[in-house]
Amino acid sequence: EPEVTQTPSHQVTQMGQEVILRCVPISNHLYFYWYRQILGQKVEFLVSFYNNEISEKSEIFDDQFSVERPDGSNFTLKIRSTKLEDSAMYFCASTYRQGPANTEAFFGQGTRLTVV
Amino acid sequence: SQQGEEDPQALSIQEGENATMNCSYKTSINNLQWYRQNSGRGLVHLILIRSNEREKHSGRLRVTLDTSKKSSSLLITASRAADTASYFCATGPDTGRRALTFGSGTRLQVQP
Repeated sequence: EPEVTQTPSHQVTQMGQEVILRCVPISNHLYFYWYRQILGQKVEFLVSFYNNEISEKSEIFDDQFSVERPDGSNFTLKIRSTKLEDSAMYFCASTYRQGPANTEAFFGQGTRLTVV
Repeated sequence: SQQGEEDPQALSIQEGENATMNCSYKTSINNLQWYRQNSGRGLVHLILIRSNEREKHSGRLRVTLDTSKKSSSLLITASRAADTASYFCATGPDTGRRALTFGSGTRLQVQP
């Protein structure tokens, strides 16, 4: 069964460092998303991406964040200068059609980011 | 309260019993989805119900949607220890932002 894969599963970084979280969406999917979940809290939307550009973003997705699809398969989230409050589980998701209208989103297993 | 609030926050039952979780939301939706999350793991899609549907079944799962009350319920019948997880509802809006809005989840513990 096709799945969204994320790497690494766990990353520890020092405050102020840049991190890149990687995702490989399902191959025939067209829409890609990043969500995050701070420990014990709700899953929050960060950004959606389609046709090589951001289609929408939340208030959380400020100038410290960027996304890229550097090749035909990878979808990355970069945090330029990490802060302690960026510590969270980051989930990548993809949908075939523009979701979530009409279609389920497939989520990866997540990357646990710990900023120390 | 925020979009997508589940209750109860935590639920503990015995194997074989049914588990019912509720979700309330505030805005108009295109659909409502339920996801499962094992501790520290990813989100697994369980079921999607559209705004023009009232009930949907998938195996031991039964989902209802009442758009007049802006609420949904997830029923897991004949629960198993392996059903132990957190369950989240997520709404897909019909206008504006297209991303899912998640609730705070119900932690289900099924005792063997």
